[in-house]
Amino acid sequence: EAGVTQFPSHSVIEKGQTVTLRCDPISGHDNLYWYRRVMGKEIKFLLHFVKESKQDESGMPNNRFLAERTGGTYSTLKVQPAELEDSGVYFCASSQARNEQFFGPGTRLTVL
Amino acid sequence: GENVEQHPSTLSVQEGDSAVIKCTYSDSASNYFPWYKQELGKGPQLIIDIRSNVGEKKDQRIAVTLNKTAKHFSLHITETQPEDSAVYFCAAPSSMNRDDKIIFGKGTRLHILP
Repeated sequence: EAGVTQFPSHSVIEKGQTVTLRCDPISGHDNLYWYRRVMGKEIKFLLHFVKESKQDESGMPNNRFLAERTGGTYSTLKVQPAELEDSGVYFCASSQARNEQFFGPGTRLTVL
Repeated sequence: GENVEQHPSTLSVQEGDSAVIKCTYSDSASNYFPWYKQELGKGPQLIIDIRSNVGEKKDQRIAVTLNKTAKHFSLHITETQPEDSAVYFCAAPSSMNRDDKIIFGKGTRLHILP
């Protein structure tokens, strides 16, 4: 069974540009989560989808971040316009049961 | 809301020795405590978890202990091997009713020395 996949693995963009990150969860997993780790700090929750609905987006930093999960399958996280402080590693996780979340390898975003 | 503190930030142990990583949490209602291991180039992977109705759980060379009174829990790795080198994260639920919204510690980078 394929695990959670994320694309791209790395992205380097300039301040003010737009970047879209993609997450493909494990097939059949209704729950999809986005997290972010800024260098040296803890992994922080961004938001949670149940199927195509946003269950909790309390961790989204600001309105420059937009997450979607059309059709309840893959999800995208768009940052527009990107700022320097958006740099970090963005993880996606999926689960069927409430507790056991399976994480993807992450997308390392660098904003110059 | 929940706050999770993790120590140490870096830990080096000789191969074959034991490693212990400690975490504290703030919300006495928290009842689920997972531990994640992140290897280079990969995402965090759940390695063991414990619920508040038990004080200790063991899976081969790894064990987790929980002290609800003191609000701390620890990861113990015995007979460490090179493949144990990784970053380890403890976590706790953000609130009693949201055990799937987890709050992570800052991580411990474990180095196993040959």
